[in-house]
Amino acid sequence: DVKVTQSSRYLVKRTGEKVFLECVQDMDHENMFWYRQDPGLGLRLIYFSYDVKMKEKGDIPEGYSVSREKKERFSLILESASTNQTSMYLCASSLTGSHGTQYFGPGTRLLVL
Amino acid sequence: QKEVEQNSGPLSVPEGAIASLNCTYSDRGSQSFFWYRQYSGKSPELIMSIYSNGDKEDGRFTAQLNKASQYVSLLIRDSQPSDSATYLCAGLNSGGYQKVTFGTGTKLQVIP
Repeated sequence: DVKVTQSSRYLVKRTGEKVFLECVQDMDHENMFWYRQDPGLGLRLIYFSYDVKMKEKGDIPEGYSVSREKKERFSLILESASTNQTSMYLCASSLTGSHGTQYFGPGTRLLVL
Repeated sequence: QKEVEQNSGPLSVPEGAIASLNCTYSDRGSQSFFWYRQYSGKSPELIMSIYSNGDKEDGRFTAQLNKASQYVSLLIRDSQPSDSATYLCAGLNSGGYQKVTFGTGTKLQVIP
């Protein structure tokens, strides 16, 4: 079974703080993704990575950065958290050649005060 | 912009009935489609994937794909209250990078 884990289920931060969200997958997947999910807006892609040290912007990268130093780990960084970044953050991974099937972690619900 | 469209619902069906969930997609080059189930406050869970025209059955679930009409559907037979969730339709983008476009989901309510 594919396992994707995220560092925190719930997180409360203050405006202006630097926030790190970590995602780890144990299935040697090349591709990893960060989404945020907000009511009525669905899943929106923030960043993705198709290989170690490689990253590509998704649809809403502003205010975020990412890091992928090891194949199994993909980090999302909020450089200076703002209240409009309060959301559910979901990490997913997929194996190249697997028809694009993505497996999700449990999610991190972030509240920025 | 690649899009996947779903009716947001809620779709209400009585227990034991067939629930029919539909979506359309804009990316004509897309070859793979997925249905995810998402319970409130939880992350999406893959329940079906389909890559070829026609039907694919797995237990009480049947996925249907019609590439000519750019239409994907999910049938849930003998619906149970535990099936009450939001169902996300998704399609693999053509053009590489293994990106997937998700619909906003249809909320299903199964009434006991």
